[in-house]
Amino acid sequence: DIQMTQSPSSLSASVGDRVIITCRASQTISSYLNWYQQKSGTAPKLLIYAASSLQSGVPSRFSGSGSGTDFTLTISSLQPEDFATYFCQQSYSTPWTFGQGTKVEIK
Amino acid sequence: QVQLQESGPGLVKPSETLSLTCTVSGYSITSGYYWGWIRQPPGKGLEWIGSMYHSGSTDYNPSLKSRVTISLDTSKNQFSLKLSSVTAADTAVYYCARRGSVYHYFDYWGQGTLVTVSS
Repeated sequence: DIQMTQSPSSLSASVGDRVIITCRASQTISSYLNWYQQKSGTAPKLLIYAASSLQSGVPSRFSGSGSGTDFTLTISSLQPEDFATYFCQQSYSTPWTFGQGTKVEIK
Repeated sequence: QVQLQESGPGLVKPSETLSLTCTVSGYSITSGYYWGWIRQPPGKGLEWIGSMYHSGSTDYNPSLKSRVTISLDTSKNQFSLKLSSVTAADTAVYYCARRGSVYHYFDYWGQGTLVTVSS
């Protein structure tokens, strides 16, 4: 199985901050990397697919980059509604696997 | 608008079979995409369980494959999950989700249903 490792596991940030979350795959996955946002008690929501493509309806302050084994999710200016947990997911080979999550908290 | 909704018992006894159904509205499950299940133990991360393509082919997580069956009911636009021989380790929120067939991202999710395994 491909292992996905996110860092940091949690972070504290203020509204307006630029936030960067990283995800590393245990082997190359080309651009088969997706990002999700999960708020407490709700289902995950797709933000970014294929490493850098913004899902329809997702604000442009979210962006993704990377290929191979190293990827990043960037929130350019953190908004109050962005406080949540973020997961990466590799879609290169089955079983599809997720990172352990990064919790973004209010500073 | 595509919507998914899980239904099924919230409590299952150890060694029994967990059964959940996902009802899809706003899209016909025979029109394409994979339809499957993901679970999340309380306070933990996400684990993909398995999926079924609209044509009927399936793919399962090898860690659960021996206990999992996913099937489609096209007449009701539903798909289902059966997980046999459950233990406390199977306690989780179970989500149904639609998965793309190219980049395999999960773009629509149900709200999730908590299933507790306990006697």
